[in-house]
Formats: sequence, C-alpha cells, structure tokens
Amino acid sequence: GENVEQHPSTLSVQEGDSAVIKCTYSDSASNYFPWYKQELGKRPQLIIDIRSNVGEKKDQRIAVTLNKTAKHFSLHITETQPEDSAVYFCAASGAGGTSYGKLTFGQGTILTVHP
Amino acid sequence: EAGVAQSPRYKIIEKRQSVAFWCNPISGHATLYWYQQILGQGPKLLIQFQNNGVVDDSQLPKDRFSAERLKGVDSTLKIQPAKLEDSAVYLCASSRGSGPNEQFFGPGTRLTVL
Repeated sequence: GENVEQHPSTLSVQEGDSAVIKCTYSDSASNYFPWYKQELGKRPQLIIDIRSNVGEKKDQRIAVTLNKTAKHFSLHITETQPEDSAVYFCAASGAGGTSYGKLTFGQGTILTVHP
Repeated sequence: EAGVAQSPRYKIIEKRQSVAFWCNPISGHATLYWYQQILGQGPKLLIQFQNNGVVDDSQLPKDRFSAERLKGVDSTLKIQPAKLEDSAVYLCASSRGSGPNEQFFGPGTRLTVL
C-alpha cells in the first residue's frame, strides 16, 4: 500500500518568515495530494490540494508543489502569522481499485510561529 | 451546509468494555470514512463506505471493530472488547464522491481506555 513520509516533525519560525514542509510518497499511481491543518483539539481542515496533472498551486500565502518523478510534494507558507501555528498533515490518495479515494496521511508537522 | 456530526465527543471506558461511536455525514455525501488518530500521528483509515457498501476495510481490526452505515447515511463504529491501545481520537469524514476529493472531517470522539 501507499506510504507517506513527512518532514520535519517540528518547525519553529519567526512571524513573517516562510515555512516549508516536505512529503514523499511511495505509490507512483497516487494522483491527489491534499494538505490538512489541525489546530489543537480540533478537526483537520483542508487548506490546499493538488492533483497529479498540475505541478504547482497557490492560494494567497499558501502554495503546494508536486514532483511526480521524484514522488514528493511540499507545502510552502509565506509571511507566516501566529495563527498559522498548528499541526499540518500531508496525504496521498490512490488512483484505483480499493485505493481509490483512500487517503494515507503523513505523521504531521507541528508548526510554531513566534510573534 | 451543516458539517459532519459525531457523538459522543469524549468517552472513557475500562479495557474489555464495549463502546460505540456515531457519525452523521454532510447531507448528500455518498462516501463516509472512519479514521483512528493516535496522539502524535496522522489519521489512519479504518473503513470506507460508498453509500451503504464497504469499499475498504483492510485496516480495520475485525476481531474487535465493526462498522455499519444504515441506509447510506448515518454510521456507527463499535469496539468490543476495547484494549488499552485503542485509546485515540476517532474521526469520521465524508466526501461527495468515491474518488479523490476533499474529505470533510467531524470533530472526533476522544476515547480513553483505562
């Protein structure tokens, strides 16, 4: 099955700096890669996603890049703010069979933005 | 639109007891997922339903866990008997279709097994 590795496990930045979180996946057939933000004690919420036919996607201060050849994708947050502090999870979704629509999550990155 | 609802929010039981969780997905969402999230880890899929049929339950410990989705809407997840290692947050999620789409998560049920 799919395996997703996420790094770093913790990331501490100063307000205004950029933050980058990286993930690798094992199944070359995976074709959907969402990123979820989970604040303490709350539900995961989608912040951005990318499909395998696109190399990069941006939404205001957040961007995701995908390298299908290397099987890795990254989350970029610019001009970080204290409210960006949370746990971020990457995930990959299988392309067919029983993997269709199934999300495999990374271990998570605890992002702390210091004012 | 109303979000995914789950109950209870918290549950404390002793090992070998049984427990059940309930989920009501977003109206019209055909696909429902149950995830287990152990502290410090990402969610792990336990079971995926498409309408009221099971699509994937390969990671569901079937000797103690069971789940059903009645009439393709609400779902219940049961653990019987519970073990200490079942302590986790159980998240329910739903999505419109069966394919790779945004999954909307409920608030979760935090289970503590003593």
